[in-house]
Amino acid sequence: GESVGLHLPTLSVQEGDNSIINCAYSNSASDYFIWYKQESGKGPQFIIDIRSNMDKRQGQRVTVLLNKTVKHLSLQIAATQPGDSAVYFCAENPPGGYNKLIFGAGTRLAVHP
Amino acid sequence: KAGVTQTPRYLIKTRGQQVTLSCSPISGHRSVSWYQQTPGQGLQFLFEYFSETQRNKGNFPGRFSGRQFSNSRSEMNVSTLELGDSALYLCASSRGPVGNQPQHFGDGTRLSIL
Repeated sequence: GESVGLHLPTLSVQEGDNSIINCAYSNSASDYFIWYKQESGKGPQFIIDIRSNMDKRQGQRVTVLLNKTVKHLSLQIAATQPGDSAVYFCAENPPGGYNKLIFGAGTRLAVHP
Repeated sequence: KAGVTQTPRYLIKTRGQQVTLSCSPISGHRSVSWYQQTPGQGLQFLFEYFSETQRNKGNFPGRFSGRQFSNSRSEMNVSTLELGDSALYLCASSRGPVGNQPQHFGDGTRLSIL
């Protein structure tokens, strides 16, 4: 499949472990954030979102944490599975940008059996 | 419910040509955004349309343009193609006029310039 990014930072985990993927965002006034998962040959797939009036949001096996003080987001994946192997992107919606998203560089998650 | 559909999936062009890419949003979604993805620059915002109006534009030359039709379908056009335009072009749709809501992506059009 096509390469999403040749020199992305890689997080390697064992199947069943928890994964934490980190992201620094750029605009302190951004008020909405999304995590996406991108598999080879596919478009980004929505995982979970969070608004700036929250600091934590949970989904199925995933949790997003938002620290506005240091402009930091993290995505926690519980009991990581081989199917979680992909590139993960955080995205921020800057103020006044309507639906414009600014994406982070991405992190490649490699899950080993 | 069908997702975002982009056509064609793959395209090969030569320098100097022009190309038109198509995007059909999720039914009921009125906002369509376009992004360029390359290994070197990552995902970069091109422009966004809502109700046939371009509301926001990224930092790309005027060779990149787009439009949206009354049924919310969108097209983007790149004229006078350059080698550096080789990329995955992604379209995303969302429901309403304001941000702060999920955007869903298609699988993109892979454009290769020879």
